[in-house]
Amino acid sequence: ETGVTQSPTHLIKTRGQQVTLRCSSQSGHNTVSWYQQALGQGPQFIFQYYREEENGRGNFPPRFSGLQFPNYSSELNVNALELDDSALYLCASSWGQGPSTDTQYFGPGTRLTVL
Amino acid sequence: AQTVTQSQPEMSVQEAETVTLSCTYDTSESDYYLFWYKQPPSRQMILVIRQEAYKQQNATENRFSVNFQKAAKSFSLKISDSQLGDAAMYFCAIGTRSGYGKLTFGQGTILTVHP
Repeated sequence: ETGVTQSPTHLIKTRGQQVTLRCSSQSGHNTVSWYQQALGQGPQFIFQYYREEENGRGNFPPRFSGLQFPNYSSELNVNALELDDSALYLCASSWGQGPSTDTQYFGPGTRLTVL
Repeated sequence: AQTVTQSQPEMSVQEAETVTLSCTYDTSESDYYLFWYKQPPSRQMILVIRQEAYKQQNATENRFSVNFQKAAKSFSLKISDSQLGDAAMYFCAIGTRSGYGKLTFGQGTILTVHP
């Protein structure tokens, strides 16, 4: 069984740039959730994708957007990067049929630094 | 909206001893799930234990057990026979069926294990 993978591991960008982070879900999972974790804080929910559609969204601006592909992998895109976007971005996968609280399994994260 | 409070920023325990990490939560939902996740310095969030709110029996996973007090909205984690590998940041989290799989996390408790 393959776990959740994320790429890249680390990323450094400049304010105003755009970034794409990638996530491959655990085998057998069809739902992907994204979280932002600032240093020393708990993760904050960004959004969830199910059947290639956004299934729920946290308190993040529209410049945070995502995609889910037919193989259930997902991308997180952030436009017009700001310094406060520097964080660890976590992807989690689960199996569900629409809104659910099936256990989410996390990837190792992507550390984004915005200068 | 859900809130999760972890009132112990740091805890320490001697190897082979028992430690309890505290968590309180608030929700108006009746169908919810509670989790403890562990995040070692490697950053990957690892599921420790899950508790369904409708179950009266406390969940147990090997050396890890919870004390779920639904009326008090308390969900503590007990680690027995602590091992050096238990050292990590521990997060308490809640998810609700109406919340599209969104997990709300506490601020975390750093656990140090002394040999």
